[in-house]
Amino acid sequence: DQQVKQNSPSLSVQEGRISILNCDYTNSMFDYFLWYKKYPAEGPTFLISISSIKDKNEDGRFTVFLNKSAKHLSLHIVPSQPGDSAVYFCAASPISGSARQLTFGSGTQLTVLP
Amino acid sequence: DADVTQTPRNRITKTGKRIMLECSQTKGHDRMYWYRQDPGLGLRLIYYSFDVKDINKGEISDGYSVSRQAQAKFSLSLESAIPNQTALYFCATSDGTYTGELFFGEGSRLTVL
Repeated sequence: DQQVKQNSPSLSVQEGRISILNCDYTNSMFDYFLWYKKYPAEGPTFLISISSIKDKNEDGRFTVFLNKSAKHLSLHIVPSQPGDSAVYFCAASPISGSARQLTFGSGTQLTVLP
Repeated sequence: DADVTQTPRNRITKTGKRIMLECSQTKGHDRMYWYRQDPGLGLRLIYYSFDVKDINKGEISDGYSVSRQAQAKFSLSLESAIPNQTALYFCATSDGTYTGELFFGEGSRLTVL
């Protein structure tokens, strides 16, 4: 049973509009959440993270929102750019965890149309 | 040059063959990991190592073994490859801080016929 779920395998958005990528989790012990971005033929790269003591973290065009009661997080990209086209993975780890305890979602392919 | 380098980048082999995927890093991190990515399943941890003398199984270690030859080198072996080990394999490193941030190599695509 997947503890971190990304239910949308793909998402297409027009350039300049907002992209919203969603992630749900089932394990209430998860305390720390991350988003990674992956381009073809490259490894994933860290994008943004959020601790459970916060409900929002912003870094430039990227904002992650965390709703602990709903066990849901989302990544907002505003405005979306063609270079944002990539696979986005969300990941979560428990309170006492570290990178070795990261659980990844299955990824969402974002396509930003020019 | 990439901070985390994997070789080979692509490999096609036959069932029953022994395969080794190698990883080296220049980030100076003590912690190294091997993941595999399958369509629809995301990344799953195979093995991890916190230093040269520390090797630990991850979520899906059956059929795999690892060797930490040095702080900078961590190799993954498939002693007798089988078709369901066809996947994209990633090596990653991290430092000791609690951020969960991993630094990935570019991946090794393995096909077992």
